[in-house]
Amino acid sequence: ETGVTQSPTHLIKTRGQQVTLRCSSQSGHNTVSWYQQALGQGPQFIFQYYREEENGRGNFPPRFSGLQFPNYSSELNVNALELDDSALYLCASSLDWTSGGIGDNEQFFGPGTRLTVL
Amino acid sequence: DQQVKQNSPSLSVQEGRISILNCDYTNSMFDYFLWYKKYPAEGPTFLISISSIKDKNEDGRFTVFLNKSAKHLSLHIVPSQPGDSAVYFCAASRNEKLTFGTGTRLTIIP
Repeated sequence: ETGVTQSPTHLIKTRGQQVTLRCSSQSGHNTVSWYQQALGQGPQFIFQYYREEENGRGNFPPRFSGLQFPNYSSELNVNALELDDSALYLCASSLDWTSGGIGDNEQFFGPGTRLTVL
Repeated sequence: DQQVKQNSPSLSVQEGRISILNCDYTNSMFDYFLWYKKYPAEGPTFLISISSIKDKNEDGRFTVFLNKSAKHLSLHIVPSQPGDSAVYFCAASRNEKLTFGTGTRLTIIP
């Protein structure tokens, strides 16, 4: 049982709008990563937060931003939405990423938020 | 630039036989390789991983093989069961940032 939840499940926005997606990590996990999964593709790494600070970023523009809070929740914000932003957005939480290799530090994924931009 | 590739979009295997899923990568700096399984409307679920310093890791019916010289890894499932039908993603890790392949849809035929 992963314990990672995301809200909302589905969302429809229009081009140019802003959106906030939310993730509640598993208790005790201080690392959260966000991924974008376009149709027919694998998840693509957006960024990672560790102890409320950004800790690595993929090839996404600055209009993708995030926040991590002390209560194990986090947000993904996307400004000036574009049609290509339509995708499934996944968050994944894990224990302290600095301790041990990833083989000992599994990432637990939430079910995702399906964003449609019209 | 697709650093992790799964060249087979789909695979059908008879129940009880072996399923072999393949994955190729280009970045020699990856330190861990992982396989995830994904059902519709759910997030990916971790299946098995292997460190770049090993060539085999086994967990029950699942075995992952790593060939570093060929930059190739494979997942073997034996025997295959109907519940194994899902999309399987190969992922590679560097500093715990995952790079995923495009997935292979595995269908187990009863």
